[in-house]
Amino acid sequence: QSVLTQPPSVSAAPGQKVSISCSGSTSNIGNKYVSWYQHLPGTAPKLLIYDNNKRPSGIPDRFSGSKSGTSATLGITGLQTGDEADYYCGAWDDSLTAGVFGGGTKLTVL
Amino acid sequence: EVQLVESGGGLVQPGGSLRVSCVGSDFTFGRYWMTWVRQAPGKGLEWVATIKQDGSEKYYVDSVRGRFTISRDNAKRSMYLQMNSLRGEDTAFYFCVRDWGGGDAHWGQGTLVTVSS
Repeated sequence: QSVLTQPPSVSAAPGQKVSISCSGSTSNIGNKYVSWYQHLPGTAPKLLIYDNNKRPSGIPDRFSGSKSGTSATLGITGLQTGDEADYYCGAWDDSLTAGVFGGGTKLTVL
Repeated sequence: EVQLVESGGGLVQPGGSLRVSCVGSDFTFGRYWMTWVRQAPGKGLEWVATIKQDGSEKYYVDSVRGRFTISRDNAKRSMYLQMNSLRGEDTAFYFCVRDWGGGDAHWGQGTLVTVSS
């Protein structure tokens, strides 16, 4: 059982957009920054979003992040088959004094 | 090009010990918090431990506190995870992460630790 809650899977057609939610509490998302990672099996996870809505250099603006209260959302527009991967949200948790992740969401581009 | 290379993984019996290492290159290692994250087979990512730039602060997930010790040697651009009293549920790929949660986050490729008799 992960501290942050994500849907296990989402799917959409190429070219469409998808949103992945991440729900937490006041001890993590509510008062801390959220980051998002893309992970393809057998590779190193890649940072997509940090500080709730900032993109590192090299990440296309098809990827966006937002936060409201104790929830965060990753948005991906113009879906490509290469976007098929597992996506994780993460944040620091003040109560646990530890980092926490969501359980991961598998994106399928149909 | 920034690189993080983990090593030291392998097969160890339950109750045994293992130390995994991470070496960074092409960046100022001592400027960053460094973190270990693991992924058990078929499972999601799990944050394990983190250490401040000068080693003065360390934090652990509850499941490893008291069994694992994170450390670093900035002169060697290296971070370590000493794992004692290993259990089957510690079987995972262990990833080294620079600046977890920050804008300079960078991950290594991981090293596999298997705990089995």
